[in-house]
Amino acid sequence: AQSVTQPDIHITVSEGASLELRCNYSYGATPYLFWYVQSPGQGLQLLLKYFSGDTLVQGIKGFEAEFKRSQSSFNLRKPSVHWSDAAEYFCAVGSGGSYIPTFGRGTSLIVHP
Amino acid sequence: DVKVTQSSRYLVKRTGEKVFLECVQDMDHENMFWYRQDPGLGLRLIYFSYDVKMKEKGDIPEGYSVSREKKERFSLILESASTNQTSMYLCASSHNKDGGSGANVLTFGAGSRLTVL
Repeated sequence: AQSVTQPDIHITVSEGASLELRCNYSYGATPYLFWYVQSPGQGLQLLLKYFSGDTLVQGIKGFEAEFKRSQSSFNLRKPSVHWSDAAEYFCAVGSGGSYIPTFGRGTSLIVHP
Repeated sequence: DVKVTQSSRYLVKRTGEKVFLECVQDMDHENMFWYRQDPGLGLRLIYFSYDVKMKEKGDIPEGYSVSREKKERFSLILESASTNQTSMYLCASSHNKDGGSGANVLTFGAGSRLTVL
């Protein structure tokens, strides 16, 4: 069975600072990995996805994530955070054998001016 | 440009009422999902449908049923609403192209926030 852990429930950063949100997964083979963002009162929007190939993935809104098989991680990064990045971020893992991805519990990002 | 539409953004219902949450997608996706989102618990899958009239239970199906009579529409039904069903409900869809990879890329609606009094 696949599972996802987002160890940080809340992260607080200052505007302009760099950001890294952690995601660890459990899956026997090469997983499909995703990051979604949810603005307050909205649904989830796909930020980026990894299926195979280059382990550094670029997404929308200036985000990137790196797949590290040895650490079973897929951490999300942004070099300079904007106040509009304040939101809930969800990591998810999927596989070719299932149509149902598994979501982490989410990390709430707070951005201070 | 809206692709997954949930008909009600906010609902207030009374205990024991029958509640219908409607979801429509215009992307011709085969798969549709209903999730429940609660603080600290993330997204929990209630039901999944991979074709018209086909459904599978997710992690928390108790107290819910679903209906998929047309490909584009997936309804979540609370037969007798209870206060512990107060939550945010998210509908999503995905396609079966590109093998399994496409099926795992979900497009979400804006959510329906249900309050049961």
